[in-house]
Amino acid sequence: DADVTQTPRNRITKTGKRIMLECSQTKGHDRMYWYRQDPGLGLRLIYYSFDVKDINKGEISDGYSVSRQAQAKFSLSLESAIPNQTALYFCATSGRTDTQYFGPGTRLTVL
Amino acid sequence: QQQVKQSPQSLIVQKGGIPIINCAYENTAFDYFPWYQQFPGKGPALLIAIRPDVSEKKEGRFTISFNKSAKQFSLHIMDSQPGDSATYFCAASSEGSDYKLSFGAGTTVTVRA
Repeated sequence: DADVTQTPRNRITKTGKRIMLECSQTKGHDRMYWYRQDPGLGLRLIYYSFDVKDINKGEISDGYSVSRQAQAKFSLSLESAIPNQTALYFCATSGRTDTQYFGPGTRLTVL
Repeated sequence: QQQVKQSPQSLIVQKGGIPIINCAYENTAFDYFPWYQQFPGKGPALLIAIRPDVSEKKEGRFTISFNKSAKQFSLHIMDSQPGDSATYFCAASSEGSDYKLSFGAGTTVTVRA
């Protein structure tokens, strides 16, 4: 987990606020991902990036945006947070192999 | 609509028992089937993975069984220990989808001492 860090680890915010979640990795991987985890739904892909100039929507991208600032950094933004975006958010990285390495997660609560 | 259906949602076993988690898929293009293990407060971590050219893979006390014709695969935890208590996710991916993982809903396993 230390190879993939996420900040903040916990965040409570109010409806309508803009929130940014940050992810950094030291594994030297090109590929980075953002997921959200909800009970009974598993992990769902929000956005993914295969290099700095490549950003792709996942299955649940509405209400989210991302920025790949460098190979090692991938940020997720909620432009106007709403309560149903309350969830656990995970960043992950992978190289050319299939294995994804996950960060420790950010618990976001939107009131 | 989840591309990988996982069951049960939770299960409880005694130490030494064999919890079994089942997953099913429809997309025949899937060619990589990993299992991830997640402890409370941590991110998921790869536990074991299988490709469809084999029907079974073992790593320590963890075994994946794969049935290509039925489009099903399962995880068995042999001689389960309290330290195995965690949430387990099955997943699937394919080269055609850039190896993006489609996850099952997860199974919370509790092993009682």
